Amino acid sequence: ILNVEQSPQSLHVQEGDSTNFTCSFPSSNFYALHWYRWETAKSPEALFVMTLNGDEKKKGRISATLNTKEGYSYLYIKGSQPEDSATYLCAFSGSARQLTFGSGTQLTVLP
Amino acid sequence: DAGVIQSPRHEVTEMGQEVTLRCKPISGHNSLFWYRQTMMRGLELLIYFNNNVPIDDSGMPEDRFSAKMPNASFSTLKIQPSEPRDSAVYFCASSLTSGGYNEQFFGPGTRLTVL
Repeated sequence: ILNVEQSPQSLHVQEGDSTNFTCSFPSSNFYALHWYRWETAKSPEALFVMTLNGDEKKKGRISATLNTKEGYSYLYIKGSQPEDSATYLCAFSGSARQLTFGSGTQLTVLP
Repeated sequence: DAGVIQSPRHEVTEMGQEVTLRCKPISGHNSLFWYRQTMMRGLELLIYFNNNVPIDDSGMPEDRFSAKMPNASFSTLKIQPSEPRDSAVYFCASSLTSGGYNEQFFGPGTRLTVL
């Protein structure tokens, strides 16, 4: 069983604060690391797919980094807005190629 | 493109009944995935298909669950007989390939309640 862990489980921040959370995954047989954003009552939507050690991806105020040697990825949100409130999922793809999802970090941005 | 389409959106049934969930992937996507989301276990992969062929069904909980993909534009997940512990949201997702490098596009999910 692959262990994909995310921390913290939940997070409350004030509007305008910057925040980050962590995804840890097996460092062997790495193929890709995905980040998804999941708003309440909707379905998960892909933010990033990262494949190379040292990868950094950015989309607006959201960015992510990847360290495959030590098995972690960080997701950063700069200047959080209430509309950023969602659950952020990471998913690991290893030699079996399918995705194993973490349990997510639930972010609430307070106005 | 309309995205991944799932039906029904909500299903309420009684224990012992057969339930069939349906999915239409995005046109041109070769891989289709069925997931189940519960509070206890989060989002877990049940089965995935590549070019209509089941590749890994190790996540299917037991023989009561079966999935088919008769063609590139349609898949079903069947539970027979259903049990209350099957109550969950079932998501279908598709991607260009199953290589792990391509993002998955999720449907809106089917919320199943088994009484």
